[in-house]
Amino acid sequence: EAQVTQNPRYLITVTGKKLTVTCSQNMNHEYMSWYRQDPGLGLRQIYYSMNVEVTDKGDVPEGYKVSRKEKRNFPLILESPSPNQTSLYFCASSLFGGGAGETQYFGPGTRLLVL
Amino acid sequence: AQKVTQAQTEISVVEKEDVTLDCVYETRDTTYYLFWYKQPPSGELVFLIRRNSFDEQNEISGRYSWNFQKSTSSFNFTITASQVVDSAVYFCALSGYYNQGGKLIFGQGTELSVKP
Repeated sequence: EAQVTQNPRYLITVTGKKLTVTCSQNMNHEYMSWYRQDPGLGLRQIYYSMNVEVTDKGDVPEGYKVSRKEKRNFPLILESPSPNQTSLYFCASSLFGGGAGETQYFGPGTRLLVL
Repeated sequence: AQKVTQAQTEISVVEKEDVTLDCVYETRDTTYYLFWYKQPPSGELVFLIRRNSFDEQNEISGRYSWNFQKSTSSFNFTITASQVVDSAVYFCALSGYYNQGGKLIFGQGTELSVKP
């Protein structure tokens, strides 16, 4: 089944404890991206990767890191989480290089609570 | 700047009623794309429709229909004969042709509650 998977789905952590949220897609998609969803704000892009060679910041990159060492995986790293990073996180992918108009397919989401 | 506004934060209807979710967008691009996604209570985001700016033809898919009007910068979504399973948060999103990073600009979402 073609899909985007994320792990973990739920996570409670404490301020300052490094964590990684994994994202994997099995559709051979070039483009991957991370969004966060907050009440009243919709979804906002954190980072994106056009392909394994290109990664760049989105609208809200502060406090996050990403890596794209292989095509299928795009982990989101929080080096020192803070309570304002409590959110619902989505990974997304699309077939080509993230060109305008491409449909992005989203993972199931990861609910993160930082105490 | 690009922006998507979903003015209806919450809508509550009784089953079998028709309901329209409004979406108004702003962009200076002449080529752009509009999307609707559904987020059921389980939390995932489900793609519903994609529409490009050159295609103003309305679309119908079962009980769902979409009305795209460039003159009013709107892309409204209507559910006919709503059902309890339609209860979800619905997001409208915009992607400009020159969008850096393939970013989707999302509205704030409309939470639809369909009561039996």
